Amino acid sequence: DAGVTQSPTHLIKTRGQQVTLRCSPKSGHDTVSWYQQALGQGPQFIFQYYEEEERQRGNFPDRFSGHQFPNYSSELNVNALLLGDSALYLCASSLGLGEGRENIQYFGAGTRLSVL
Amino acid sequence: QQPVQSPQAVILREGEDAVINCSSSKALYSVHWYRQKHGEAPVFLMILLKGGEQKGHDKISASFNEKKQQSSLYLTASQLSYSGTYFCGTAMNTGFQKLVFGTGTRLLVSP
Repeated sequence: DAGVTQSPTHLIKTRGQQVTLRCSPKSGHDTVSWYQQALGQGPQFIFQYYEEEERQRGNFPDRFSGHQFPNYSSELNVNALLLGDSALYLCASSLGLGEGRENIQYFGAGTRLSVL
Repeated sequence: QQPVQSPQAVILREGEDAVINCSSSKALYSVHWYRQKHGEAPVFLMILLKGGEQKGHDKISASFNEKKQQSSLYLTASQLSYSGTYFCGTAMNTGFQKLVFGTGTRLLVSP
């Protein structure tokens, strides 16, 4: 049973460029959440997708956008990259409408984005 | 608001015990504990729901004090494999949950 997979594992971009990160959820999961983790910090919630719609959003600018596909996989897009966008981007999958015990989020290994 | 974790770091000898605390200023529905090793994904440890239950498996257990909005993670007879950074993630509602994570507690277990 494959867990959450993310691609690519590492990415180097320059300021002003755009980037797309990809995530495949754990088998049987229908909800994908994205987090940004700066060095030495806890993950920060960006947004969450269920049934191809953004259900919740954290305190991130509109430069951060996403998409969920019918097969539940998801993409995170970041436009007009800034140096401060350098971080580990984590994807987590879960069951969207389960009881509390089922809302366990399983994380992928992340994409390390470096903006130069 | 971000939960506060304490201590920020702890060093143990193999076999020693540790307690990691997570406090929130807001009413919580659940607390989720994760361990992250350097360069790896956060690994889910356990979830505590409001109601003050205590859970555990193997030598790791946790409690959730709903009145204090505080959760504690107990690591007993620590093993080298316990080394890593522990994060608590808090959720204020059921259904679609965004987790708000603390700043983490770095744990190093030495032989």
